[in-house]
Amino acid sequence: GAVVSQHPSRVICKSGTSVKIECRSLDFQATTMFWYRQFPKQSLMLMATSNEGSKATYEQGVEKDKFLINHASLTLSTLTVTSAHPEDSSFYICSARVVTPGLAALWETQYFGPGTRLLVL
Amino acid sequence: QKEVEQDPGPLSVPEGAIVSLNCTYSNSAFQYFMWYRQYSRKGPELLMYTYSSGNKEDGRFTAQVDKSSKYISLFIRDSQPSDSATYLCAMSLNRDDKIIFGKGTRLHILP
Repeated sequence: GAVVSQHPSRVICKSGTSVKIECRSLDFQATTMFWYRQFPKQSLMLMATSNEGSKATYEQGVEKDKFLINHASLTLSTLTVTSAHPEDSSFYICSARVVTPGLAALWETQYFGPGTRLLVL
Repeated sequence: QKEVEQDPGPLSVPEGAIVSLNCTYSNSAFQYFMWYRQYSRKGPELLMYTYSSGNKEDGRFTAQVDKSSKYISLFIRDSQPSDSATYLCAMSLNRDDKIIFGKGTRLHILP
């Protein structure tokens, strides 16, 4: 099956620093990648949708200048948390959508990475 | 009121028991309903999905949707220790719209 990796799996950083998280589709090309955030005991929430070669679309309430997304290739998207603060501590999960012929639904073609746990001290 | 409500558990049941996992939702416009399974340190993986009201069966798993009550369920028959995971319900307005997730229910199947 389609595999999506994330790196790092866990990161601890000091408040005010920036952290980059990579999301890679290992065995398929993904024109669309998604970034989710999950706070403890909360739902997985979509932060942004990124299409290869274009600017990301952010969900309401997500600061685009704080969460920089770069989708430079069909297999790689990065999320940079700039000037991280303790309230940014969360579990960040990416997903990649495989291109399929026909009109397959999003959930049929979306594969999730294992997530990155960010702790900001 | 949150869009999707799901009891986070944990829920512990003995091996072989029937497991019932449930979610309620507030937006009657949701048409597609999904269940995901997430093992520790892994991303969610799609188990099954249904469209509108009704039942869908896949092996030991049965998904049930009652749109009139805005209530969805996942039943697991003959539960196995390997079924121990977090189960997330999710739903969407249409086939290409964003997916709204519940908080997930942690399930432990006791050997």
